[in-house]
Amino acid sequence: GAVVSQHPSWVICKSGTSVKIECRSLDFQATTMFWYRQFPKQSLMLMATSNEGSKATYEQGVEKDKFLINHASLTLSTLTVTSAHPEDSSFYICSARPTGLAGGPTGELFFGEGSRLTVL
Amino acid sequence: AQSVTQPDIHITVSEGASLELRCNYSYGATPYLFWYVQSPGQGLQLLLKYFSGDTLVQGIKGFEAEFKRSQSSFNLRKPSVHWSDAAEYFCAVDLTGGGNKLTFGTGTQLKVEL
Repeated sequence: GAVVSQHPSWVICKSGTSVKIECRSLDFQATTMFWYRQFPKQSLMLMATSNEGSKATYEQGVEKDKFLINHASLTLSTLTVTSAHPEDSSFYICSARPTGLAGGPTGELFFGEGSRLTVL
Repeated sequence: AQSVTQPDIHITVSEGASLELRCNYSYGATPYLFWYVQSPGQGLQLLLKYFSGDTLVQGIKGFEAEFKRSQSSFNLRKPSVHWSDAAEYFCAVDLTGGGNKLTFGTGTQLKVEL
């Protein structure tokens, strides 16, 4: 099946620094990618929809200046957590839908393995 | 408010036993329904989905799910569980019909005893 890879898998940073997480579709192109956040023992919460070549669409309550999303190519979206604080510690997951007929509204979403961020 | 509920946080079954994981949604119309599995160190994998038609859907790895409109439920089942099925299972719904905005349940952690 299609593969979505996230890097890094885990990262520890100091409070006040910025951290970039990459999401790559390895064997397909994705016009649209999605970023989720998962708190311990809670469900995945959609943060934003990343659109190649245009601005991301953020869900209500998500700070767009704190969580910068860049979808520079059809295979790469990045999430930058700016001026990270301990409350930003979480598990961040991306997903992507293949572009084209296979990726229509009912097409399968493929998920990355997630990136665990710990802010000290 | 629209929501997805997985009432069981943890379930333990013996290998070879049958399994049913519960999922209920709260929404006026019938949404698109999904079950995903998440194994440690791996991304969520789609087990099956329901959009319309036959209310009993077959998925990968021997899983099936039945949509019951009257109960707003989409329970996941497997007749005989294998030790490799131990993982976390998420029910999800797409309320927009566009296939983009998935709302996930809180997940059910499945443990399989040998």
